[in-house]
Amino acid sequence: DSGVTQTPKHLITATGQRVTLRCSPRSGDLSVYWYQQSLDQGLQFLIQYYNGEERAKGNILERFSAQQFPDLHSELNLSSLELGDSALYFCASSVRGVGELFFGEGSRLTVL
Amino acid sequence: QQQVKQSPQSLIVQKGGISIINCAYENTAFDYFPWYQQFPGKGPALLIAIRPDVSEKKEGRFTISFNKSAKQFSLHIMDSQPGDSATYFCAAAGSSNTGKLIFGQGTTLQVKP
Repeated sequence: DSGVTQTPKHLITATGQRVTLRCSPRSGDLSVYWYQQSLDQGLQFLIQYYNGEERAKGNILERFSAQQFPDLHSELNLSSLELGDSALYFCASSVRGVGELFFGEGSRLTVL
Repeated sequence: QQQVKQSPQSLIVQKGGISIINCAYENTAFDYFPWYQQFPGKGPALLIAIRPDVSEKKEGRFTISFNKSAKQFSLHIMDSQPGDSATYFCAAAGSSNTGKLIFGQGTTLQVKP
């Protein structure tokens, strides 16, 4: 158990809808990362937050957004969903944004 | 230039054998190279990591070999066990943000009893 908690584990929704994925980092970790894992694109970095502020951005679509709250949990919002957004979305955390990343078990999103 | 290329895509090894997975990168700004192990239904977990100031790092049965001039690094799993059957990802990052990882495409390893 990495100590990173993600909910929901599975989510099925329709095209055009909006969903929110939630992540609670390990106790004490200030940095949260979001990654997308799909068969064709592999594991891709989406976005990082550090102590409530956006720190780095990767291949994140404009339809996607994220935030980190004062209690350090984070949410990834996916809107206007398309079939191609079906993937595993992982949250990871680290103490200060350097060193080992601890991944959660992921949220599997299926868009029908 | 941001890619990390990993091979092979899949690997079958007999129990007790050596598993070797290779990765290559292009961006010379990368200076943190971790390997992650992922079991089905789980998130990736850090296995071992290396920085370019050393050419080899060993932790138990797992060894990373690093060739800075060739911009290549590899994972060797000695005495491979069925419990090692998983997907392995190499990755690379710059030291300023080691969590912003560029992952290879992954290698699915099957260790036969």
